[in-house]
Amino acid sequence: DAGVIQSPRHEVTEMGQEVTLRCKPISGHNSLFWYRQTMMRGLELLIYFNNNVPIDDSGMPEDRFSAKMPNASFSTLKIQPSEPRDSAVYFCASSLGTGSSPLHFGNGTRLTVT
Amino acid sequence: AQSVSQHNHHVILSEAASLELGCNYSYGGTVNLFWYVQYPGQHLQLLLKYFSGDPLVKGIKGFEAEFIKSKFSFNLRKPSVQWSDTAEYFCAVNAPGNQFYFGTGTSLTVIP
Repeated sequence: DAGVIQSPRHEVTEMGQEVTLRCKPISGHNSLFWYRQTMMRGLELLIYFNNNVPIDDSGMPEDRFSAKMPNASFSTLKIQPSEPRDSAVYFCASSLGTGSSPLHFGNGTRLTVT
Repeated sequence: AQSVSQHNHHVILSEAASLELGCNYSYGGTVNLFWYVQYPGQHLQLLLKYFSGDPLVKGIKGFEAEFIKSKFSFNLRKPSVQWSDTAEYFCAVNAPGNQFYFGTGTSLTVIP
């Protein structure tokens, strides 16, 4: 059974460029979460979707960040334009959406903005 | 707002020592509780979870946690740690609305 799949694993880009991170949740999971992890701020929830609908995007840092979930098997997190302070590891996670079902995390995308 | 507190930011133990990591949450209703582990350079993996029944839950790799409702706590324990347990440990709460709240993590270093 495939887990949560994220791509790319690593992304290095220059400041001002557009970055798109991709996530494929586990089949059958109806909740999807995007997290950002840095040494300074730890694990931060950016946004989460339930049945493809964004439920809470209060963690999205600013308008440069946007996330979409066009269907149950795919989500993107876009940063435009990117800045050096966006450098972090971005994790996607999915769950069945019931209270007792845990989050399953992808391997993350390590983003470096120079 | 809901919050999860992990009071130990960095713990250093020798192999075979016993481990207890604290976790407290602030939510008065029914919650589901989780502990995740993140090995260096890897993603978060589920160690154990509690949602009902016996408040003492056992997870993988010899870890266990005890839910004490009166103290709003869910502490993680292991009787004898190994070098391979060196990792970051995160406590998490799932409150109604399917919102997951994570603690800031505890970094565990086990010295051989």
